[in-house]
Amino acid sequence: EPEVTQTPSHQVTQMGQEVILRCVPISNHLYFYWYRQILGQKVEFLVSFYNNEISEKSEIFDDQFSVERPDGSNFTLKIRSTKLEDSAMYFCASSENWDSDGYTFGSGTRLTVV
Amino acid sequence: QKEVEQNSGPLSVPEGAIASLNCTYSDRGSQSFFWYRQYSGKSPELIMSIYSNGDKEDGRFTAQLNKASQYVSLLIRDSQPSDSATYLCAAHFNYGQNFVFGPGTRLSVLP
Repeated sequence: EPEVTQTPSHQVTQMGQEVILRCVPISNHLYFYWYRQILGQKVEFLVSFYNNEISEKSEIFDDQFSVERPDGSNFTLKIRSTKLEDSAMYFCASSENWDSDGYTFGSGTRLTVV
Repeated sequence: QKEVEQNSGPLSVPEGAIASLNCTYSDRGSQSFFWYRQYSGKSPELIMSIYSNGDKEDGRFTAQLNKASQYVSLLIRDSQPSDSATYLCAAHFNYGQNFVFGPGTRLSVLP
């Protein structure tokens, strides 16, 4: 079964450093998403991406965040200057259409900011 | 503000029993609803979706939707210890592409 692949599985970084989280969506999918989940809390939407541009973003997705699809397969989330409160699981997801029958989530990257 | 609410649990049921999980949502414009299962430290896995009022069955799982009451539920028949997880309800609102997730209900199936 096709998978969404995320790397690394765990990233530890110092406060103020930049991190890039990587995702390889399912190959025929056109819509890509980043969500995050702080430990013990809800899964929260960050951003959706279609046709090489952001289609929607949440209030969490401020100027410290950016997304990119640098080539035909990767989809990245960059946090420019990490804060302690950025520590969370970050999930990438993809779907074939915007009204697809649910997303396929990747296995996640646990980001720990120290 | 688009909200999805769930009882956080834990909900404990004995093995073989029916587990009933409930969810309410705030926006009448919501079009589709999803149940995800999330094991501790893992990503959400899609169990099933429902779009129309009524019941939808898939194996041991039945989703129920009542748009007038803004209520979605998931029944798990013949619960197994392997069903012990957090169950996330998500709504796909009419405008926008993202899902809004509820906080999840933790289910514990006791052998």
